[in-house]
Amino acid sequence: AQKVTQAQTEISVVEKEDVTLDCVYETRDTTYYLFWYKQPPSGELVFLIRRNSFDEQNEISGRYSWNFQKSTSSFNFTITASQVVDSAVYFCALGYTGGFKTIFGAGTRLFVKA
Amino acid sequence: GAVVSQHPSWVICKSGTSVKIECRSLDFQATTMFWYRQFPKQSLMLMATSNEGSKATYEQGVEKDKFLINHASLTLSTLTVTSAHPEDSSFYICSARELAGAYNEQFFGPGTRLTVL
Repeated sequence: AQKVTQAQTEISVVEKEDVTLDCVYETRDTTYYLFWYKQPPSGELVFLIRRNSFDEQNEISGRYSWNFQKSTSSFNFTITASQVVDSAVYFCALGYTGGFKTIFGAGTRLFVKA
Repeated sequence: GAVVSQHPSWVICKSGTSVKIECRSLDFQATTMFWYRQFPKQSLMLMATSNEGSKATYEQGVEKDKFLINHASLTLSTLTVTSAHPEDSSFYICSARELAGAYNEQFFGPGTRLTVL
């Protein structure tokens, strides 16, 4: 079964704190993709990153970084020096074979307070 | 980058009426389009997958007679909510997979907020 678990429902931090959003996935496929999306209050999904199952290199993009570990089936997302504008719901998602479907986790709502 | 539009962005209708939502890929051809529904403070749930020129495939629990999907061209898919009721009020999001794109590359529309009174 394909599944994405985001155990953190809500996280509240103070501006400039670092925060890590956890994502654990399940799949039997050897080829799959992992994604992170940001959904601000407007509702429109903002694509943040895509990682395929053969690329375990960590990635850094500005204040954002991602840690992909196949051994623990995790794809965690860290925001460094958080800002109020980072307040949003963040979704981790799994794309797999069989109709090219994308399965979303439940989402983590991040509140960054000034 | 690839752009997907949805129209309308929001709609309010009376119970019992039908509402059509359009999803267009503006600068690419989409072999497959997906429709998602998102209730407040919940995740995106896949409703159906539509391939151009063929019938949509609905996820378990989604009423195909209530949510009519038409994918008549490589750039347009429509979702019609028939005889809408208040419980159908939700945020509907479409995504489109590019014809010649990378595996599982999908582009999401901005969403349509439906409120049924």
